[in-house]
Amino acid sequence: DQQVKQNSPSLSVQEGRISILNCDYTNSMFDYFLWYKKYPAEGPTFLISISSIKDKNEDGRFTVFLNKSAKHLSLHIVPSQPGDSAVYFCAASAEIAGTYKYIFGTGTRLKVLA
Amino acid sequence: GAGVSQSPSNKVTEKGKDVELRCDPISGHTALYWYRQRLGQGLEFLIYFQGNSAPDKSGLPSDRFSAERTGESVSTLTIQRTQQEDSAVYLCASSPIVGQKNEQYFGPGTRLTVT
Repeated sequence: DQQVKQNSPSLSVQEGRISILNCDYTNSMFDYFLWYKKYPAEGPTFLISISSIKDKNEDGRFTVFLNKSAKHLSLHIVPSQPGDSAVYFCAASAEIAGTYKYIFGTGTRLKVLA
Repeated sequence: GAGVSQSPSNKVTEKGKDVELRCDPISGHTALYWYRQRLGQGLEFLIYFQGNSAPDKSGLPSDRFSAERTGESVSTLTIQRTQQEDSAVYLCASSPIVGQKNEQYFGPGTRLTVT
């Protein structure tokens, strides 16, 4: 049962254009969402996050949008740069019964074409 | 400063053998997390430590898996009687404190191959 889904395994975008990566979740108890970026042979690195009380968070070229009613979030990168080429993971977290749960999606491989 | 380090970076073992994977978190980070990533799949959360206490071990795949942490430093993930299905990259992460809002700092992972 995949509670966090990234339905697009890969995405190609021209340099300078917008990249939109999508993520859907099923558990309404998730109340914090994070995006991580992963380069080959390295561990994921944190990119941006959003609390469930917000619908948008922006940090430079990166913006995350949250639609709670649809249980959907998206990461927008604009303008896209070749260095953005990586695998992007969406993660959801919650505190349930005094412990913390962290669920990651399967990732979307972004390729930014120069 | 130094990031999260993991050793070994690669481990090839025969089915049935035990393996021990090590994680050194960022100094001062009280929270430590273990994940597994099988080929073509996402990160599967295994266990987290707050200090040397692990409040929830339900994410460990089977009783062949165990994890320990010494104080607020090194952690080891032990897999007994390894199976081919255990082949994966095992990732460790740490954060200053535990909590769902805290970004986690990941190590480079240990690639485990069970033959």
